Amino acid sequence: SAVISQKPSRDICQRGTSLTIQCQVDSQVTMMFWYRQQPGQSLTLIATANQGSEATYESGFVIDKFPISRPNLTFSTLTVSNMSPEDSSIYLCSVEYGANEKLFFGSGTQLSVL
Amino acid sequence: AQSVAQPEDQVNVAEGNPLTVKCTYSVSGNPYLFWYVQYPNRGLQFLLKYITGDNLVKGSYGFEAEFNKSQTSFHLKKPSALVSDSALYFCAVRDYGYSTLTFGKGTMLLVSP
Repeated sequence: SAVISQKPSRDICQRGTSLTIQCQVDSQVTMMFWYRQQPGQSLTLIATANQGSEATYESGFVIDKFPISRPNLTFSTLTVSNMSPEDSSIYLCSVEYGANEKLFFGSGTQLSVL
Repeated sequence: AQSVAQPEDQVNVAEGNPLTVKCTYSVSGNPYLFWYVQYPNRGLQFLLKYITGDNLVKGSYGFEAEFNKSQTSFHLKKPSALVSDSALYFCAVRDYGYSTLTFGKGTMLLVSP
């Protein structure tokens, strides 16, 4: 199994500011993903973080709002830019081992935007 | 396109009774199906998966799920519920050829003593 360290675990931010969330995995993984879990809703995939190239964003998510870095096979960051109260959510880092295998999740970042 | 539905927002069960959490899916090819559990203030944990083979899949903590292709369902079951099973359960599906999972909206399971 993978050990995923995600930080910060929670933050309260002001409207218009940006927050960068870090995800560190204890071993090299091919696939890393960023999810959003809005209050009372399911998990929505934001993007797939690709090592050495631009992230692949899902419909409704854009790089300017959610820039992602993946400098190596064990680390990724997600930035939530120019935040508004609608961005208040839990953001989850996830990794996959192998093909069609299970996902491992970080403990999440609880973001509140005032 | 791939989608998954969890028709119940909440399931209430008394401890010791059997439990079922429902999930139906829609894919164009062969489905890969998963169940995850989220305990309060914690990330999601993998419970079980169906890729191919036996329709009855056994997973962690005594949970199992039955794949029913004709009904496009993958219901989660446990013969005897524990209070500690109370959590939020997510069903997820991946269609063959897709690289990403689609999650259901989640079902809150509450097991009463």
